[in-house]
Amino acid sequence: GENVEQHPSTLSVQEGDSAVIKCTYSDSASNYFPWYKQELGKRPQLIIDIRSNVGEKKDQRIAVTLNKTAKHFSLHITETQPEDSAVYFCAARTTTGNQFYFGTGTSLTVIP
Amino acid sequence: NAGVTQTPKFQVLKTGQSMTLQCAQDMNHEYMSWYRQDPGMGLRLIHYSVGAGITDQGEVPNGYNVSRSTTEDFPLRLLSAAPSQTSVYFCASSYSALPQETQYFGPGTRLLVL
Repeated sequence: GENVEQHPSTLSVQEGDSAVIKCTYSDSASNYFPWYKQELGKRPQLIIDIRSNVGEKKDQRIAVTLNKTAKHFSLHITETQPEDSAVYFCAARTTTGNQFYFGTGTSLTVIP
Repeated sequence: NAGVTQTPKFQVLKTGQSMTLQCAQDMNHEYMSWYRQDPGMGLRLIHYSVGAGITDQGEVPNGYNVSRSTTEDFPLRLLSAAPSQTSVYFCASSYSALPQETQYFGPGTRLLVL
């Protein structure tokens, strides 16, 4: 099955700086890559996603890039704010199965 | 729409007890799934369903049963709880099983097995 690796596991940035979280996947058949934000004690919530026919997608301060050749995708958060502090999960879903595979999460702390 | 709902929010069990975690969605979603979330391990798929009457195993199915008699409901059963099943359980759903469909999560059930 698919294997999704996520780095780093923890990340601290100063308010206003950028944060980058990277994920790699193993199954070249994967074609959908969502990112979820999970605040403490809450459910994961989708913040952005990208499909394999797109290289980059932006939504205000959040962007995701996908490199299909290298099988990696990244989440970029610019102008970070304290409310961006949370755990972020990447995931991959393949065309050959009905399963989502999640990374192990990145705990982001934005220092005011 | 209430979205994806789960009950109970919190449960304490003794080893060997059984219980059912409830999950329901009112969005007419065909695809439903159960995950467990443990520290440092992300979300791991337990079981999933692509429609009423159809279920399949995920990454960590042992010790859990599911059924899907209606589109709306997807209960998860623990037949004989073990301390290793202490975790936070999330139910999720998406409109279909197509790979690009967004998945929405319920609020979670925190389970403690003593």
